[in-house]
Amino acid sequence: EAQVTQNPRYLITVTGKKLTVTCSQNMNHEYMSWYRQDPGLGLRQIYYSMNVEVTDKGDVPEGYKVSRKEKRNFPLILESPSPNQTSLYFCASSLRQPGTEAFFGQGTRLTVV
Amino acid sequence: GQSLEQPSEVTAVEGAIVQINCTYQTSGFYGLSWYQQHDGGAPTFLSYNALDGLEETGRFSSFLSRSDSYGYLLLQELQMKDSASYFCAPTGGGNKLTFGTGTQLKVEL
Repeated sequence: EAQVTQNPRYLITVTGKKLTVTCSQNMNHEYMSWYRQDPGLGLRQIYYSMNVEVTDKGDVPEGYKVSRKEKRNFPLILESPSPNQTSLYFCASSLRQPGTEAFFGQGTRLTVV
Repeated sequence: GQSLEQPSEVTAVEGAIVQINCTYQTSGFYGLSWYQQHDGGAPTFLSYNALDGLEETGRFSSFLSRSDSYGYLLLQELQMKDSASYFCAPTGGGNKLTFGTGTQLKVEL
């Protein structure tokens, strides 16, 4: 089954404690991205990756890091989480061609206290 | 720059037809996608328009006018399960998908 898997689904952490949200896809997609969703603000892109070892900033990259060492995995790293990073996070993948369907993971609800 | 506008909320009755409009400004525009998101769920792909005109997929149709930087999603024979948020998402340079704040559709009996 084609899918994007994020872990964990829910996470409560404390300010400053480094965390990683994992994302894995089994569709051999080149393009992967991370979004955060906040009430009234819609989905905003954090980082994206066009292929292995190729990443770039989205609209709201501050406070986040990513890496793309393998095609299937695209982890999101928060080195020093702060309460303003409390949000719902989605990973998505698609073929590189524009307009192809983006598949989203189930989401990770992160709370930073 | 980039901008995206769609209504924040639309209400319609079951069985009716509803149109959700979207205007955009996107550099390196390729086409316009539509996504549906139920509360607490992940966005799911509905349609994509690269060329002007209407694309029909079952009860849903999507329209694009590139010259007007405008598109819409048309939902026919509305059902309660169609209550969700709908996002238009222009694809720009580098296959970058930009999502707006979405339109919350409420379907009433």
